[in-house]
Amino acid sequence: NAGVMQNPRHLVRRRGQEARLRCSPMKGHSHVYWYRQLPEEGLKFMVYLQKENIIDESGMPKERFSAEFPKEGPSILRIQQVVRGDSAAYFCASSPLDDQETQYFGPGTRLLVL
Amino acid sequence: LAKTTQPISMDSYEGQEVNITCSHNNIATNDYITWYQQFPSQGPRFIIQGYKTKVTNEVASLFIPADRKSSTLSLPRVSLSDTAVYYCLVGDPNYGGSQGNLIFGKGTKLSVKP
Repeated sequence: NAGVMQNPRHLVRRRGQEARLRCSPMKGHSHVYWYRQLPEEGLKFMVYLQKENIIDESGMPKERFSAEFPKEGPSILRIQQVVRGDSAAYFCASSPLDDQETQYFGPGTRLLVL
Repeated sequence: LAKTTQPISMDSYEGQEVNITCSHNNIATNDYITWYQQFPSQGPRFIIQGYKTKVTNEVASLFIPADRKSSTLSLPRVSLSDTAVYYCLVGDPNYGGSQGNLIFGKGTKLSVKP
């Protein structure tokens, strides 16, 4: 049973470009969460999704950031017109329907904005 | 979700037992206590979860006093590979669909020396 998969593992973008981060949850998991981690900081919640629904996006910046979890395919975190401050590690986690407290994390995508 | 307080860093030597204490004075009745471990450049990994008294698994033990306002993660006979950041979180695993985010603090950076 494969764990949570994220790709790419590393992503370099220039200011103003778009970044698309992908997350495939563990098999059988219907909940996906995205977190952002700055150096020497803990993870900060961004958004919580179920298939085709955004449940909680209270941690998402109001502009340039969006997330989706389509019926088929991975969850996508999209950052438009990236700025240097977007440089961080972005982690995806998934959980089963009946235990949302135990989240299984992917290896993360490290975004560097030049 | 309840706020947690834990030491920023701890040092230990191989073979010693390490106890990391977390304070969560505002823990709610339905909240569980969960600990995650994060190695550099990796996503957090679930270690242990408990509600009260003592929980033990193959990796660690979790001690929770009767008032539940604190908890202690105990790692027996640590090795160099236990060097990591340890996060204490409290939350309700049965959110009812309206919340899903875990709130990570800065964690405790454990350094195990030879």
